[in-house]
Amino acid sequence: SQKIEQNSEALNIQEGKTATLTCNYTNYSPAYLQWYRQDPGRGPVFLLLIRENEKEKRKERLKVTFDTTLKQSLFHITASQPADSATYLCALDMGYSTLTFGKGTMLLVSP
Amino acid sequence: NAGVTQTPKFQVLKTGQSMTLQCAQDMNHNSMYWYRQDPGMGLRLIYYSASEGTTDKGEVPNGYNVSRLNKREFSLRLESAAPSQTSVYFCASSEGQGTFSYNSPLHFGNGTRLTVT
Repeated sequence: SQKIEQNSEALNIQEGKTATLTCNYTNYSPAYLQWYRQDPGRGPVFLLLIRENEKEKRKERLKVTFDTTLKQSLFHITASQPADSATYLCALDMGYSTLTFGKGTMLLVSP
Repeated sequence: NAGVTQTPKFQVLKTGQSMTLQCAQDMNHNSMYWYRQDPGMGLRLIYYSASEGTTDKGEVPNGYNVSRLNKREFSLRLESAAPSQTSVYFCASSEGQGTFSYNSPLHFGNGTRLTVT
């Protein structure tokens, strides 16, 4: 079965720096890969979706890359702000079944 | 625009009690889902409804039942609660129909925090 690995350790960075979060998967490449943000006590909120034939997707300060050779997606937040502090989840969509979520990585941006 | 609404927000049950978690969406979405989230386990799919009138098991269906009451509402029932069902339960919906998620992000509610003693 598909396994998804996100760094379980929190990522601590300073305000203004670029945060980079990693999502690795095993086995087959998904048709789509989605990224979500989750704040404490709240449900996940969709951020970005990238297709397997796309190398990169951007939305404002967010950038997602998808490398099917490395079986990896990177999620970047440029010019990070304390308000970006949250847990970020990646989710794989194989195209024929429901989404499979990673366990998430907590990002802490300090002023 | 309320999105996905879950009730109740918090619940404490004794072992063996039953309860129903309610979920409603106002986005006219076809598919609805129930997940549970536990520390260190991530989000795990319990049941989903790919379209009105259909329901299917997810990764962890044991001990649960669901009802897709209509296009808007999808309820999750615990017939005899167990301490292992202590968790945060999230309902979600998506525009996509059928088992194919495709280009359909999930919209989540803010969860029901359930404790079973």
